[in-house]
Amino acid sequence: DTAVSQTPKYLVTQMGNDKSIKCEQNLGHDTMYWYKQDSKKFLKIMFSYNNKELIINETVPNRFSPKSPDKAHLNLHINSLELGDSAVYFCASSQWGGRSGTGELFFGEGSRLTVL
Amino acid sequence: DQQVKQNSPSLSVQEGRISILNCDYTNSMFDYFLWYKKYPAEGPTFLISISSIKDKNEDGRFTVFLNKSAKHLSLHIVPSQPGDSAVYFCAASLIQGAQKLVFGQGTRLTINP
Repeated sequence: DTAVSQTPKYLVTQMGNDKSIKCEQNLGHDTMYWYKQDSKKFLKIMFSYNNKELIINETVPNRFSPKSPDKAHLNLHINSLELGDSAVYFCASSQWGGRSGTGELFFGEGSRLTVL
Repeated sequence: DQQVKQNSPSLSVQEGRISILNCDYTNSMFDYFLWYKKYPAEGPTFLISISSIKDKNEDGRFTVFLNKSAKHLSLHIVPSQPGDSAVYFCAASLIQGAQKLVFGQGTRLTINP
């Protein structure tokens, strides 16, 4: 039973389109994240939600809009897709705060977005 | 400006030998460091971590060393096994309550039989 699942795993689309990536976790965690792995392979945080509240919002174009309907789900919607948005997007979850096991993010398998 | 760097994109080691993966960071505010392992078409999985108050943490075949004065950490795997072949990411955590991890760009480790 997958702990953090993302759909779709692969997405090929044209410039200018709008697309969404969905993420669900069944670990009972209260914090979820979106990370982007770019062409240089760096994993960079985009957003983090704790109990449906946005707590981390890095410098990301406002074409990217996360939505958390409940603490088990964090979706990523991208408007007006550009070539530079091509990347692998990883969803992750963790339990908020504390230092026991802190930093242990559980990642999904990633969603590879290709913008043509 | 990349705050966490892994300067070796790849490393090849003979099975049974020691693998040493290195990581440098620039931000002295980082207080927690982690290593993640990633297989193709999978997400990264947590491997081992170390707090800034320690200089060594060991878990089975894996040991992480932290040198705060040099802003350097390393992951030692001994003995190396073929299943260890993967991409290893170093990450550092800022003191912000949430797990805001800053990752390096990864080192691809290949264990040769």
